[in-house]
Amino acid sequence: SYELTQPSSVSVSPGQTARITCSGDVLAKKYARWFQQKPGQAPVLVIYKDSERPSGIPERFSGSSSGTTVTLTISGAQVEDEADYYCYSAADNNPVFGGGTKLTVL
Amino acid sequence: EVQLVESGGGLVKPGGSLRLSCAASGFTFSSYSMNWVRQAPGKGLEWVSSISSSSSYIYYADSVKGRFTISRDNAKNSLYLQMNSLRAEDTAVYYCARMDVELRPDYWGQGTLVTVSS
Repeated sequence: SYELTQPSSVSVSPGQTARITCSGDVLAKKYARWFQQKPGQAPVLVIYKDSERPSGIPERFSGSSSGTTVTLTISGAQVEDEADYYCYSAADNNPVFGGGTKLTVL
Repeated sequence: EVQLVESGGGLVKPGGSLRLSCAASGFTFSSYSMNWVRQAPGKGLEWVSSISSSSSYIYYADSVKGRFTISRDNAKNSLYLQMNSLRAEDTAVYYCARMDVELRPDYWGQGTLVTVSS
């Protein structure tokens, strides 16, 4: 089975750039997605195909990929971006989520 | 608007059974594969099971294989998860999630809480 590794926490001040990484061998051959989850709410897709943004997601959210690491970047993070973020990928019918990163914006 | 509404959660004793349902609306349910994903209290997301649009392909996480059964009724726009031989470690919020054309989750329901405790 595959594994995806994320930092447990990232902290930035409002207006700063937040970067959350996700690493795993599967990312060298499969696209990643990113989900945002606020307390008590369902996950929301914020990035797919490593760097594509669904409609309705603010432009400050972007994604990039290099080798076995993908990165979610939030440019000019806002207080409302404070949430848990999960990366996701799948190969050989084995979906896997990263362990999640708690983003603090204060 | 895509809507997914889970139901059927509750408190069950170890070894017991529970059947979760997910009612879908706002899209052509019969055209999409679907997922169940769970989240234990204070923990991360864990994929549980997937089913293709026509039920031809079904997959399970090793942690639930042989105990859980995923199914769907396209005529009723509904997804199900039959959970047997429940264990304390199955305690979690269970989400149903639609899989898009890339067979990856996009829209999620609000979840239903399953608590396994004596």
